[in-house]
Amino acid sequence: DIQMTQSPSSVSASVGDRVTITCRASHDISSWLAWYQQKPGRAPKLLISRASILESGVPSRFSGSGSGTDFTLTINSLQPEDFATYYCQQPNSFPITFGQGTRLEIK
Amino acid sequence: EVQLLESGGTLVQPGGSLRLSCAASGFTFSTYAMSWVRQAPGEGLEWVSSISGTGGSTYYADSVKGRFTISRDNSKNTLYLQMNSLRAEDTAVYYCAKEYVGGVWFDYWGQGTLFTVSS
Repeated sequence: DIQMTQSPSSVSASVGDRVTITCRASHDISSWLAWYQQKPGRAPKLLISRASILESGVPSRFSGSGSGTDFTLTINSLQPEDFATYYCQQPNSFPITFGQGTRLEIK
Repeated sequence: EVQLLESGGTLVQPGGSLRLSCAASGFTFSTYAMSWVRQAPGEGLEWVSSISGTGGSTYYADSVKGRFTISRDNSKNTLYLQMNSLRAEDTAVYYCAKEYVGGVWFDYWGQGTLFTVSS
């Protein structure tokens, strides 16, 4: 199984800050990585697929990069609606696995 | 507009059975693979099972293999998850999710249905 490890587990930031979340895969997954945002009581929302492809309607302040085993999600100029939990996910092979999540909190 | 609506959540005793349903609309259901993803209270996301568009291929997490069965009825645009031999650790919100074409990531999710396994 491919293990996905996110860091940090939580981060505090202010509106306007830039935040970077990392995700590391236990095996090479090329660019097969997705990022999701989840707000309390809501279903996850797909932000980025194939490591760096922004989904339609997702603000351009979100960006993803990386390949192989190391990936990052960057949020520039944080907005109040961005405070949520973020998950990475590998779609490379079954069993599909998610990172443990990174909670982005308001400082 | 793509819509996924889960149903079937309730309280079940350990060892019991339950079937979840997910009614899909707004897309050609038979074209897309579908999955179930669960989230235990206060925990992260856990993939449970996937099924191909035709229903001919199915995949399961080790934690549910042999106990859960995923299926679909393309004539009714409905996805199912039959869950047997339920355990307390199966307690979670269960989401159905539509898979992207060409990759097992999830571009649309239902609102989730919660069920609890408890005596």
